[in-house]
Amino acid sequence: DQQVKQNSPSLSVQEGRISILNCDYTNSMFDYFLWYKKYPAEGPTFLISISSIKDKNEDGRFTVFLNKSAKHLSLHIVPSQPGDSAVYFCCAGGTSYGKLTFGQGTILTVHP
Amino acid sequence: KAGVTQTPRYLIKTRGQQVTLSCSPISGHRSVSWYQQTPGQGLQFLFEYFSETQRNKGNFPGRFSGRQFSNSRSEMNVSTLELGDSALYLCASSVDREAGELFFGEGSRLTVL
Repeated sequence: DQQVKQNSPSLSVQEGRISILNCDYTNSMFDYFLWYKKYPAEGPTFLISISSIKDKNEDGRFTVFLNKSAKHLSLHIVPSQPGDSAVYFCCAGGTSYGKLTFGQGTILTVHP
Repeated sequence: KAGVTQTPRYLIKTRGQQVTLSCSPISGHRSVSWYQQTPGQGLQFLFEYFSETQRNKGNFPGRFSGRQFSNSRSEMNVSTLELGDSALYLCASSVDREAGELFFGEGSRLTVL
């Protein structure tokens, strides 16, 4: 039962363009969402988060959008840089749920 | 401030053996969670410990177990290893319960032959 789904295993983008990574969830108990980035041979690192009371959160080049009615969130990276090439994990949690649930990850490749 | 430390980083075992992985959380962090990463499956939650008590458990067989010590360090054990147990095992710590930002270690890469 995959409660958090990232349906695109990979995404390829040209440097300077926008990268859009998508994530869908099924559990209505989730009330906060996070994105993690993972480079090879390293552990995931926190990127950005959003609470369910918001529909947008921005941090520099990274913006996360949340559409609660559609149970969908997306991560926008503008402009994309080659150093952004990594695996991006979407995850969701609930204050009464007790654990974070991760998606399968999307491999982002930004070409110079 | 030292990050989350996992040992060993790499190990090779054969089917039927058992393995113990260790995790030292960030100082002051009392919650430790374990995840299994395999290609195409993302990060699968194994279990979470807080103050030496298992607080949450994922859908893994009983061969997977863990514990947490009074200094918050944690170990996970996998008995009777199977080929499908080959994966990257990640430990993450957080200040309190497993909510919000997690700080991950670099992982222990287990290969079962």
